[in-house]
Amino acid sequence: EDKVVQSPLSLVVHEGDTVTLNCSYEVTNFRSLLWYKQEKKAPTFLFMLTSSGIEKKSGRLSSILDKKELSSILNITATQTGDSAIYLCAVGGGSNYKLTFGKGTLLTVNP
Amino acid sequence: NAGVTQTPKFRVLKTGQSMTLLCAQDMNHEYMYWYRQDPGMGLRLIHYSVGEGTTAKGEVPDGYNVSRLKKQNFLLGLESAAPSQTSVYFCASRDTGDLHGYTFGSGTRLTVV
Repeated sequence: EDKVVQSPLSLVVHEGDTVTLNCSYEVTNFRSLLWYKQEKKAPTFLFMLTSSGIEKKSGRLSSILDKKELSSILNITATQTGDSAIYLCAVGGGSNYKLTFGKGTLLTVNP
Repeated sequence: NAGVTQTPKFRVLKTGQSMTLLCAQDMNHEYMYWYRQDPGMGLRLIHYSVGEGTTAKGEVPDGYNVSRLKKQNFLLGLESAAPSQTSVYFCASRDTGDLHGYTFGSGTRLTVV
């Protein structure tokens, strides 16, 4: 059974802090790892990491895939209150490419 | 393009009632998925479809049925709703060659009392 574990489950920081969110996985026939940000509604796509693209960066957010350790981190620097959200890690694998999600990390950024 | 549209957005059911959630996508995607999201549980896959006329069970299929009679629509049915099915339901779709993840609908908040 595919498994995705995120840590921590919740995190409270102050504006300006840097945070690191963790994701580890056990997936048959790994194809990609994705990070999503979820505020009030549906998850919105942040990054996709694959064997051919193990690092991604967009503004203050960056992510790295460690295929040897079967894990990924999502870094957010100079956090803002607008970064407050649930961050979901999902891993795609298998012939039908089902995404298996972790439970998410609830990030709260206080002013 | 509307993307993925879910109806209804909210619904309150009594225990034992039935209902159908509709997911419609206008992107000609082959794959469609139904997830439920509960507090602290992430998204869990209920059923999915790899093409018109096909369906398969996901991680938590009990108490739900699905149909994919038309490529653009994926229906999720609850035959006899239970309080444990109170949740937020998300539909998603993707194209065959798209590894950029899913396109999600905006969700349906269902409460079973």
